[in-house]
Amino acid sequence: NAGVTQTPKFRVLKTGQSMTLLCAQDMNHEYMYWYRQDPGMGLRLIHYSVGEGTTAKGEVPDGYNVSRLKKQNFLLGLESAAPSQTSVYFCASSYLGSYNEQFFGPGTRLTVL
Amino acid sequence: QQQVKQSPQSLIVQKGGISIINCAYENTAFDYFPWYQQFPGKGPALLIAIRPDVSEKKEGRFTISFNKSAKQFSLHIMDSQPGDSATYFCAATGTGSARQLTFGSGTQLTVLP
Repeated sequence: NAGVTQTPKFRVLKTGQSMTLLCAQDMNHEYMYWYRQDPGMGLRLIHYSVGEGTTAKGEVPDGYNVSRLKKQNFLLGLESAAPSQTSVYFCASSYLGSYNEQFFGPGTRLTVL
Repeated sequence: QQQVKQSPQSLIVQKGGISIINCAYENTAFDYFPWYQQFPGKGPALLIAIRPDVSEKKEGRFTISFNKSAKQFSLHIMDSQPGDSATYFCAATGTGSARQLTFGSGTQLTVLP
C-alpha cells in the first residue's frame, strides 16, 4: 500500500496563478484533511472532509477551495496564489473512529513569488 | 488563538539524556492527546497518544505524562538517541465532526552524539 500520496512535491507559482494539489489515499479512509505548515506555527487545518462529496472549513480556509469527488482523492485548489500562501502543504487521512490516527502524506512545498 | 501551547521551540540534548517537551491546552472538551514525530522532508507520523482518563502512558523510551487538572501534558524521551532528532508536535482533538486535531507549534529536538 502506498498510504497517502501527494502531487506535486514542489511547485513555484507567480502571484495570481492558480494550481491544484492532489492527495490520494489507498486505505479506504473516510476522513481527509489539508494542512499547511509554517515555521513556528505547527500545522494548521485548511479544509477537511468527512466523506465523499462533503467538505468543511478548517482554521485557515481563506484563499483555498477543496473537492472530494471520489473517496480516495482530496483536491486543494488555489485560485489566485499570494505570497502568503508560500508554505508546505500536507494531506492526511484517517478512519472513522473515536480516536483517529491521522496518516500524513510527504508534503508539497509551494513557493509563491 | 492558539489552543495548544508547546515549549520549548528547540531542544538540544546529549546522547543518553532525557528530552522533555511540554504542552498546555485550554479547551476542556479535548479528549485525546497524540504526539507526532516529523523527520526532515517527511510528513508527521503518530508516535504515542494518551486519553485523559490515565495520567501516564509509556511505549519503549517514550512516555506521556498527563495532568488533567493543570491542563498540561508532556513527552519524555529517555536515553535519547541521535536517531530521535526530529520535530515533535503535540496535538489535541475534541468532539468535532471529523475529530480535527489542533497542533502545538512544534519542538525541534537535536540529540548530539
